[in-house]
Order: sequence, then C-alpha cells, then structure tokens
Amino acid sequence: AQSVTQLGSHVSVSEGALVLLRCNYSSSVPPYLFWYVQYPNQGLQLLLKYTSAATLVKGINGFEAEFKKSETSFHLTKPSAHMSDAAEYFCAVKGSNYQLIWGAGTKLIIKP
Amino acid sequence: SQTIHQWPATLVQPVGSPLSLECTVEGTSNPNLYWYRQAAGRGLQLLFYSVGIGQISSEVPQNLSASRPQDRQFILSSKKLLLSDSGFYLCAWSPTAEAFFGQGTRLTVV
Repeated sequence: AQSVTQLGSHVSVSEGALVLLRCNYSSSVPPYLFWYVQYPNQGLQLLLKYTSAATLVKGINGFEAEFKKSETSFHLTKPSAHMSDAAEYFCAVKGSNYQLIWGAGTKLIIKP
Repeated sequence: SQTIHQWPATLVQPVGSPLSLECTVEGTSNPNLYWYRQAAGRGLQLLFYSVGIGQISSEVPQNLSASRPQDRQFILSSKKLLLSDSGFYLCAWSPTAEAFFGQGTRLTVV
C-alpha cells in the first residue's frame, strides 16, 4: 500500500532564503507524485507533478521537486522564499481506486 | 477548459439540522469526483468518491452521505448535523491521476 510522510508540520524560513519541504513516499509500483499548495480558506492548487518522465520537475511559482527513487523522496524546493509563499503544502502519491494518498501537510512560514 | 464549482463558501448550521453541499464540474465528462474534509489542524480526509452516476464509495463511516445524480454533479448531505461535522469540505475532480479542487466550504455546526 502507498503512503506519504511529510517531515515537519511547520517550516520557517526567512524571506529570500531557500525553501525545502520534505516528502518521502512508499509505493510498490512506480509512483505518480504531486505537490499541492493551500492558502487559508481556499482549495488546493496543483504545484507540480511527477509522472515517470524527467526526475526534476518544475512547477508554478518558482517551485521544483526532484524524484529520487533510491531515497523514495520527492522534496519540494524554491531558491528564494517570498512572503506570498506562506501557505500549507501537501505531498501526495497516486494510490489505487482512483485515489490520492496524502501527507499530513507542512505549513510554510516566511519571516520578513 | 475545465472548472469546478462548489457552494456555499461558508455555512453556519445548528446541531440536528440537515446539510446539502453541491459541487459541479464543467468542461469534462465522466470525471472521478471526491469529497474531502479538513478538520482544524488536521490533514485531508477522503470521505467519498465516485467514478460514475450513482456509484458512490465511502471511505469513513460517519454522519454524512453522498450522491451523484448527474454526471458532473456531486452532493454531500446529512440528515442531522453533529458538532463534530464542523470543518472545511472540499470537492475535487480527477481526469486520471491528479485532482483539481473547488474553493471549499467552511461548515460550522453550532
């Protein structure tokens, strides 16, 4: 069965600093992996997805993620944090029965 | 392009009252449809999903039910709300792998 672990329920970085949000997955089949962002009182928006093509995936808002099979990881990064990046981020893996398996989420806090 | 509509955005309901939340998708046919709930400080909990008209799968036993009367319409209901039903409810649709979400409904049961 697939599962997703996001390390750190809260991550705090200074404006302009590197953003690194960690996601590890467990999957018995080649995974499809996703990162979503959620702003307060809004739905989730797809940031980027990995579907077995290039291992480095570029998404919206300057984010990217690298699929590392040996480490079963799909960490999300952004070189320089902006105040508007403050939100909650969810990692997910495609499961069976048309479902996505979700991580618990990481709240990104940007310090001015 | 495809869009998903979910309403209302906020709702305050007394304990014991009924609930009906509606979600519709435009620009696609036969989508997979989902209802999720986010309780305060918690992640996403899948409540129901549907792969076709009249086909509903429930993930968690609860005070809620779902229906899909039309191809692109998904309804979340309750006959009698409980305080524990408070939360943020999200509808989503999926063509294949990734999901696309509505704006959510903030439900407060008082």
